[in-house]
Amino acid sequence: DSGVTQTPKHLITATGQRVTLRCSPRSGDLSVYWYQQSLDQGLQFLIQYYNGEERAKGNILERFSAQQFPDLHSELNLSSLELGDSALYFCASSGIVDTQYFGPGTRLTVL
Amino acid sequence: DQQVKQNSPSLSVQEGRISILNCDYTNSMFDYFLWYKKYPAEGPTFLISISSIKDKNEDGRFTVFLNKSAKHLSLHIVPSQPGDSAVYFCAAKQGGTYKYIFGTGTRLKVLA
Repeated sequence: DSGVTQTPKHLITATGQRVTLRCSPRSGDLSVYWYQQSLDQGLQFLIQYYNGEERAKGNILERFSAQQFPDLHSELNLSSLELGDSALYFCASSGIVDTQYFGPGTRLTVL
Repeated sequence: DQQVKQNSPSLSVQEGRISILNCDYTNSMFDYFLWYKKYPAEGPTFLISISSIKDKNEDGRFTVFLNKSAKHLSLHIVPSQPGDSAVYFCAAKQGGTYKYIFGTGTRLKVLA
């Protein structure tokens, strides 16, 4: 158990819909990262937050957005969903050391 | 453009032998490298890391080697155990940034 929690574990929705994925980092970690893993692909970095502020941005679509709240949990919002958005979405957190601890992921299926 | 490449999608090794997983990168500005292990239906788990100022780091059965001139990273597992069967990802971070680039993974199967 990494100490990072993600909800929900599975999500099935339809094209055009909007969903919110939630992540709670390890206790004391200020950084939260979001990744997307599509079938047979590596982990694609989406975005990073540090203590509530956006710190780095990767290949995140404009239809996607994220935020980190004062209690340090983070949410990833995916809107106008397309079939190609079906993937595993991982959240990771880190503290002072540059080692990321990953949550179990949310499997999103868009029908 | 894939800056971190794991060219072997899969690898099979006999129990007790050495497993060598390879990773190549193209960006000379990467200064920190990590290996993660991933079991099905779980998130990646950190294994071992190495800074670009070193060429080797060891932790128990796991050793990571860094060859900066070749832009090549490898993970050695000795001896390999059936429980090591998983997908292994290498990742790299560019100095001065907070972005981590992951490879596509190598599926290791350790045969009993």
